[in-house]
Amino acid sequence: DAKTTQPTSMDCAEGRAANLPCNHSTISGNEYVYWYRQIHSQGPQYIIHGLKNNETNEMASLIITEDRKSSTLILPHATLRDTAVYYCIVNSGSARQLTFGSGTQLTVLP
Amino acid sequence: KAGVTQTPRYLIKTRGQQVTLSCSPISGHRSVSWYQQTPGQGLQFLFEYFSETQRNKGNFPGRFSGRQFSNSRSEMNVSTLELGDSALYLCASSLDRPFGAFFGQGTRLTVV
Repeated sequence: DAKTTQPTSMDCAEGRAANLPCNHSTISGNEYVYWYRQIHSQGPQYIIHGLKNNETNEMASLIITEDRKSSTLILPHATLRDTAVYYCIVNSGSARQLTFGSGTQLTVLP
Repeated sequence: KAGVTQTPRYLIKTRGQQVTLSCSPISGHRSVSWYQQTPGQGLQFLFEYFSETQRNKGNFPGRFSGRQFSNSRSEMNVSTLELGDSALYLCASSLDRPFGAFFGQGTRLTVV
């Protein structure tokens, strides 16, 4: 699975959009980009995934660059409950092994 | 639809004992994976089962084992517990590729 690079931490004002970047420059053609988050002491929560097209669901939007070497998770109107560690994972999906890095600690400020 | 259920939520065991943790996946999900989370090592993959077969295994000693039943429920077992096995053990279920995995709340194991 390709390696990902994320900022260690980010802050966002409540009600504003949170844009979380992820670099995955060695991604291969059959690998998907997945985003998960983990609120303290809870199990990780699946957010969204994509292959090459931009994706949107009720939680977030995922923007993948045309060369697929980076992506951005967008939380359109961040709330205090969105404070969590966000993980960007690249995975071929053929096996369910997820390699979690250190993620980005997003803190939503009132 | 009910989520992934893990039992028990908390467990205290003595060094040298063995422990069995249980995971009930979301209905219809045939893939079940297990992860260990510690402050020092983060989230680490243990193994994955699909249709009662272990499909992938992480880098853990043989003391860690698992199985999956015909109804997709899964158990993991840790024998000869060590203090370093104290961790949050997480189970995740999913449909097959490329869908996301859904995690339970975990079992917090403390070895004393």
